[in-house]
Amino acid sequence: RKEVEQDPGPFNVPEGATVAFNCTYSNSASQSFFWYRQDCRKEPKLLMSVYSSGNEDGRFTAQLNRASQYISLLIRDSKLSDSATYLCAVNLAPGTASKLTFGTGTRLQVTL
Amino acid sequence: SQTIHQWPATLVQPVGSPLSLECTVEGTSNPNLYWYRQAAGRGLQLLFYSVGIGQISSEVPQNLSASRPQDRQFILSSKKLLLSDSGFYLCAWGRGTELFFGEGSRLTVL
Repeated sequence: RKEVEQDPGPFNVPEGATVAFNCTYSNSASQSFFWYRQDCRKEPKLLMSVYSSGNEDGRFTAQLNRASQYISLLIRDSKLSDSATYLCAVNLAPGTASKLTFGTGTRLQVTL
Repeated sequence: SQTIHQWPATLVQPVGSPLSLECTVEGTSNPNLYWYRQAAGRGLQLLFYSVGIGQISSEVPQNLSASRPQDRQFILSSKKLLLSDSGFYLCAWGRGTELFFGEGSRLTVL
């Protein structure tokens, strides 16, 4: 089993749709979770941190399910500009600040 | 505000040639610094991290090495490149548990 696993997609959705991605992680002791966005041939950019209570930033909602060891990202009212690869990242070893393990990413394509 | 710079942005090198990629961070002191590699169609792999000058931890055995000669400078090197060293190399700095990446250096080994 991979330490951090994502469905690679691609997810092809029409503009305005709601889409959700999941990411599973292997270490139940993990403490820090993140979603990054990566455009083609660019560096990953931090989209949002994932808190135990869940958090929302505009059209984006991130949630953590510790019991099932996964995090999720929900995008509402998809825009063409949301097309990108979404990477989840987990600090699998608490105490090793910022040492993140990344999933391979889920590609999203939003179409007209 | 903090910024991170990497160079060169793109390079094409023959097998067996040396490599030096440089990364500098501005606007912060004593950052944790990281080198990741993203091979084509694969995820980000942590190569090295550093918590201070001269302190380097290697995550995977490989043909590469890293050095941190100054607080905000991180260098990735190789004496002899292999074909398998091709990829997108990303330097990052850490703030708490968050990571912020530089623009990356795309290496093609021929």
